Amino acid sequence: GDSVTQMEGPVTLSEEAFLTINCTYTATGYPSLFWYVQYPGEGLQLLLKATKADDKGSNKGFEATYRKETTSFHLEKGSVQVSDSAVYFCALSSPNNAGNMLTFGGGTRLMVKP
Amino acid sequence: KAGVTQTPRYLIKTRGQQVTLSCSPISGHRSVSWYQQTPGQGLQFLFEYFSETQRNKGNFPGRFSGRQFSNSRSEMNVSTLELGDSALYLCASSQGVGESGYTFGSGTRLTVV
Repeated sequence: GDSVTQMEGPVTLSEEAFLTINCTYTATGYPSLFWYVQYPGEGLQLLLKATKADDKGSNKGFEATYRKETTSFHLEKGSVQVSDSAVYFCALSSPNNAGNMLTFGGGTRLMVKP
Repeated sequence: KAGVTQTPRYLIKTRGQQVTLSCSPISGHRSVSWYQQTPGQGLQFLFEYFSETQRNKGNFPGRFSGRQFSNSRSEMNVSTLELGDSALYLCASSQGVGESGYTFGSGTRLTVV
């Protein structure tokens, strides 16, 4: 079945540092790929998405490129802020499913220190 | 545009009881899916409803059930609660095809004692 693997956290960075959170996936066909962010006590917010190979999703300074050859969708940000501290989830939605279903990675907690 | 609304936000129940959670999707969204989030298992898919029909179901016991009404609002029910059912239950709505993205509610925190 489909699966998503993320690097384990927590990831601790100083403000203005470069961020990379690795995400790889296994799926049949051509899934859509997503990054979601969860702040304490809240639900998930869609951060960015990509629906086909070589697409780059971007939002709020975050970027991720859909790499079919390496089945990866790594999240990057050039300069993190304290407000970016949250848990980040990589997810996929496979077109082979009958309807809508997201398969999530385990989540990566990011802590940014001033 | 109102977001996805889940009620109640917090719930405490006793083992053996049953519980009903509610989710109101974004206006115009016809798909509602439910997820369970726990520290041990992460985010797991429960089921998805589209136009009052269950389209997808995850690997959960029959104690977990759901339904969708004609106005797209959805409810999920858990019967004979167990301690392990303590979790954050999240619902997500989308217009139809998942590639357009899913909008999540803030969740219902269920504690079983």
